[in-house]
Amino acid sequence: GAVVSQHPSRVICKSGTSVKIECRSLDFQATTMFWYRQFPKQSLMLMATSNEGSKATYEQGVEKDKFLINHASLTLSTLTVTSAHPEDSSFYICSALRGGSSTDTQYFGPGTRLTVL
Amino acid sequence: EDQVTQSPEALRLQEGESSSLNCSYTVSGLRGLFWYRQDPGKGPEFLFTLYSAGEEKEKERLKATLTKKESFLHITAPKPEDSATYLCAVQEMDSSYKLIFGSGTRLLVRP
Repeated sequence: GAVVSQHPSRVICKSGTSVKIECRSLDFQATTMFWYRQFPKQSLMLMATSNEGSKATYEQGVEKDKFLINHASLTLSTLTVTSAHPEDSSFYICSALRGGSSTDTQYFGPGTRLTVL
Repeated sequence: EDQVTQSPEALRLQEGESSSLNCSYTVSGLRGLFWYRQDPGKGPEFLFTLYSAGEEKEKERLKATLTKKESFLHITAPKPEDSATYLCAVQEMDSSYKLIFGSGTRLLVRP
């Protein structure tokens, strides 16, 4: 199988603090990882594409200075929510891209529930 | 503009009552169409990838099919444990490997 982990699974923080979320591919190497956020009863919204060894590509409307992404190795990408505010409260999910050509499938982590007070 | 539309939004079935979920898509060039299952409070779980019209894939009680405009996820004799949100996503024929998701179908199977 393809296993992707996220840590922490749940975090509560005060407004103005920064929070780091880790995404790891446990049994395969991932040159590319993706970060999504999901609001209640809505689908996944892509925030950014994380490429190992290079800068992340952000989707339109996503503040790159607020959501810092680092992809320092083939198995680890991190998302840091800087100066978090209550409106940043959401479910953040990462995925890792496995394989190439016809077998390029995104495998998702279990998600991180962020609550900003 | 690329679009993915899923229907119905919600579906309630009795255990054993077969049905189908629909995913219609508009994309300039399709690399692949993906089906995922998502349980509440969890990340999506990969089910199938379909690449070309006419292709079919099966897994237990689920069968996915693909045409040039839509995909169906057929659920045969569902069980309560099949209750989840089923997400459809398309991947364009570009270098980004990004997925464009539909809004999902929430399936509830009652015993």
